[in-house]
Amino acid sequence: QVQLAESGGGLVKPGGSLRLSCAASGFTFSDYYMSWIRQAPGKGLEWVSYIYSRPNTIYYADSVKGRFTVSRDNAKNLLYLQMNSLRAEDTAVYFCARGHYNMDVWGQGTTVTVSS
Amino acid sequence: EIVLTQSPGTLSLSPGERATLSCRASQTVSSNYLAWYQQKPGQAPWLLIYDASSRATGIPDRFSGSGSGTDFTLTISRLEPEDFAVYYCQLYGSSRTFGPGTKVEIK
Repeated sequence: QVQLAESGGGLVKPGGSLRLSCAASGFTFSDYYMSWIRQAPGKGLEWVSYIYSRPNTIYYADSVKGRFTVSRDNAKNLLYLQMNSLRAEDTAVYFCARGHYNMDVWGQGTTVTVSS
Repeated sequence: EIVLTQSPGTLSLSPGERATLSCRASQTVSSNYLAWYQQKPGQAPWLLIYDASSRATGIPDRFSGSGSGTDFTLTISRLEPEDFAVYYCQLYGSSRTFGPGTKVEIK
């Protein structure tokens, strides 16, 4: 069964850091682009980042460039999002998804709250 | 950057009725790289349509996508109770953005 499961969300103070993880199963993880998309409370969807490892291809939205770092461990079927210098406007549910064009598999999301 | 506009913001319909949702791009969408997603409260989005008109795996044929250039449409031929949700269009390829969404609610 194809599945994605995010973890690592929580409450963090402005300026703080958090690392999200996404565990993939049921498919050949290394074959796929993987994306992070977020959704602020009551708002729409925003593409955050995507990564592919063959060749190494990475994209960041302007809103997170220089603060967030995406990475993956194909041996462990894990996707990561390291988030530094967090701001209140980064508060959102963060989803990982398979693909970078249209995303056909999504995780259930993990909530990040940036507040003092 | 291409901006997507969705209309209407809210669509109030009854089960069995036809729903027509619009997504308009501020510039021509290359290769019809446009997808549609359904999202229910507390859930992740679910891919319905990709490349403007191709149904994703397992999507019922009451869902159809059409359009090209700057104007795209998602049609639900006969609304089922489980179809009441928010629908997002999404651009991909050289630009990546989501539309603001259309809520389909029970009238």
